[in-house]
Amino acid sequence: ETGVTQSPTHLIKTRGQQVTLRCSSQSGHNTVSWYQQALGQGPQFIFQYYREEENGRGNFPPRFSGLQFPNYSSELNVNALELDDSALYLCASSSLGQAGANVLTFGAGSRLTVL
Amino acid sequence: KQEVTQIPAALSVPEGENLVLNCSFTDSAIYNLQWFRQDPGKGLTSLLLIQSSQREQTSGRLNASLDKSSGRSTLYIAASQPGDSATYLCAVDSGNTPLVFGKGTRLSVIA
Repeated sequence: ETGVTQSPTHLIKTRGQQVTLRCSSQSGHNTVSWYQQALGQGPQFIFQYYREEENGRGNFPPRFSGLQFPNYSSELNVNALELDDSALYLCASSSLGQAGANVLTFGAGSRLTVL
Repeated sequence: KQEVTQIPAALSVPEGENLVLNCSFTDSAIYNLQWFRQDPGKGLTSLLLIQSSQREQTSGRLNASLDKSSGRSTLYIAASQPGDSATYLCAVDSGNTPLVFGKGTRLSVIA
């Protein structure tokens, strides 16, 4: 059984650029959630994807968008990057509709630095 | 709106000490509570999950308790080791809502 994998692990962008982060969910999981964790803070929920559609969203602007693919993998896209977008982006997968639905398995994260 | 607070923000102890990390939450209508470990710059590793109907869960040297009515949970670490140094995060699941995390407690165990 493979866990959650994220890529890239680290990346540096400049203000105004766009970034795409990728996540492969754990085998058997059908739902992907994305979290943003700023330095010294707890993770903040960005959004969740289930059956290739957004299934809940936190307090993030529309320039944060996502996709889920038929194999349940997911992308997080951020447009018009701002300095405050610098953070660790965590992906977590789970099995919505099954027992223990909200037991999340987290990936190692993608560290984004915006200069 | 659920809010989760963790105290202390940072803690430094000598090796071998027993220690307690605290987590409080504002809405007692929870489904479960989880404790996670996070090493610097890394993802989250689930340590213990306590269902709302449970009072505690144990795994090795770790014991987590839950008092739903008072909105509190504690993580007890026995005989601490330098390898326990990490940030410990508490997260609350209120059902059909995403997990709400505290800011974590940064633990340093000194050899």
